[in-house]
Amino acid sequence: SAVISQKPSRDICQRGTSLTIQCQVDSQVTMMFWYRQQPGQSLTLIATANQGSEATYESGFVIDKFPISRPNLTFSTLTVSNMSPEDSSIYLCSASTGGRGEKLFFGSGTQLSVL
Amino acid sequence: DQQVKQNSPSLSVQEGRISILNCDYTNSMFDYFLWYKKYPAEGPTFLISISSIKDKNEDGRFTVFLNKSAKHLSLHIVPSQPGDSAVYFCAAIPPYRDDKIIFGKGTRLHILP
Repeated sequence: SAVISQKPSRDICQRGTSLTIQCQVDSQVTMMFWYRQQPGQSLTLIATANQGSEATYESGFVIDKFPISRPNLTFSTLTVSNMSPEDSSIYLCSASTGGRGEKLFFGSGTQLSVL
Repeated sequence: DQQVKQNSPSLSVQEGRISILNCDYTNSMFDYFLWYKKYPAEGPTFLISISSIKDKNEDGRFTVFLNKSAKHLSLHIVPSQPGDSAVYFCAAIPPYRDDKIIFGKGTRLHILP
């Protein structure tokens, strides 16, 4: 298994500012992902964080709004840029050690509120 | 457009009884399904999975049933225990992308004493 540490656990931010969320995995993993869960909605994949290269974004998500870094196999950051109240969500880091979802582990999430 | 639907936001079940959580999906190409469990302030954790070539998979108190013709799956927990109180997410994996898991909105299960 993999233990994922994510911080901050929550934050309240002002409109127009940016927040960077950090994700640290305790072991080397093959893939790292960032998900968002808006209020009352399902977990939605934002992007796959690729080590040493640009992240792969899902439809509806762009690099300018959600820049992602993954400098090594166990660490990644997600920045939520130029925030608006619509960005108020839970953001979850996840990592996979293989398989088809059985070995997908999640951090505890970052509860973001934008005023 | 929701491809994985959990139409019951919440469910309350008496301790010791059977809990049945339901899930529907729209894409007949989905070939692998999973259930995740989430406690407050924690990330989801994998619970049980089922391939589309099967119609049932069992793991202890947890059984998942798949009805492909109805595009429906269900998670049975028996007997239900207080520690089962959590949010349960149904999820599906499309055949063309193993790395993309499509989640439902979740069902909050309350186990009553």
